[in-house]
Amino acid sequence: GENVEQHPSTLSVQEGDSAVIKCTYSDSASNYFPWYKQELGKGPQLIIDIRSNVGEKKDQRIAVTLNKTAKHFSLHITETQPEDSAVYFCASYTGGFKTIFGAGTRLFVKA
Amino acid sequence: DSGVTQTPKHLITATGQRVTLRCSPRSGDLSVYWYQQSLDQGLQFLIQYYNGEERAKGNILERFSAQQFPDLHSELNLSSLELGDSALYFCASSVGTASQHEQYFGPGTRLTVT
Repeated sequence: GENVEQHPSTLSVQEGDSAVIKCTYSDSASNYFPWYKQELGKGPQLIIDIRSNVGEKKDQRIAVTLNKTAKHFSLHITETQPEDSAVYFCASYTGGFKTIFGAGTRLFVKA
Repeated sequence: DSGVTQTPKHLITATGQRVTLRCSPRSGDLSVYWYQQSLDQGLQFLIQYYNGEERAKGNILERFSAQQFPDLHSELNLSSLELGDSALYFCASSVGTASQHEQYFGPGTRLTVT
């Protein structure tokens, strides 16, 4: 069935380093791929998204890349800061009007 | 603040009981989504409504039901509650057109079943 795999489950980086989170989706009809950041005690917040007709999108220190052939997309955070520490979820919007989320990556940025 | 409101914030109830969670979408959004997030788990899509009509169904149990009212607020009803239903329940909303899927999440309702 529809599935999104997300790796790694935990990521620890030093402040100023880059962080990369990778996701793979199964439904070839998926056409929209959002990334969410969830801080403790809060709901997920959309931080960046990409549509299937685009290969890369950047917003300041955050970028997302999409490889439709491999059904693979990634989140890149550069110059990480302690406030980037949170759980990050990737998701894919499938042809069946469903949003399927990955299991999440807990990012720790050490000062 | 996403503009999506959810009540109550916390709910503690006993097994076998029934509860209702409420969600008000952002102004102008026609779609409402419900998600379940168990401890250390990802987000599980339950159901989506668009302008009062059911649009998509995920892994929603038969004991759970939802509806969206004419004023676009939505309610998620959970009945015959079990210990395993303890989780965070999030509501999200979006404009809901075919080309706009950006979802904005509320702060969630934490349900504890004892």
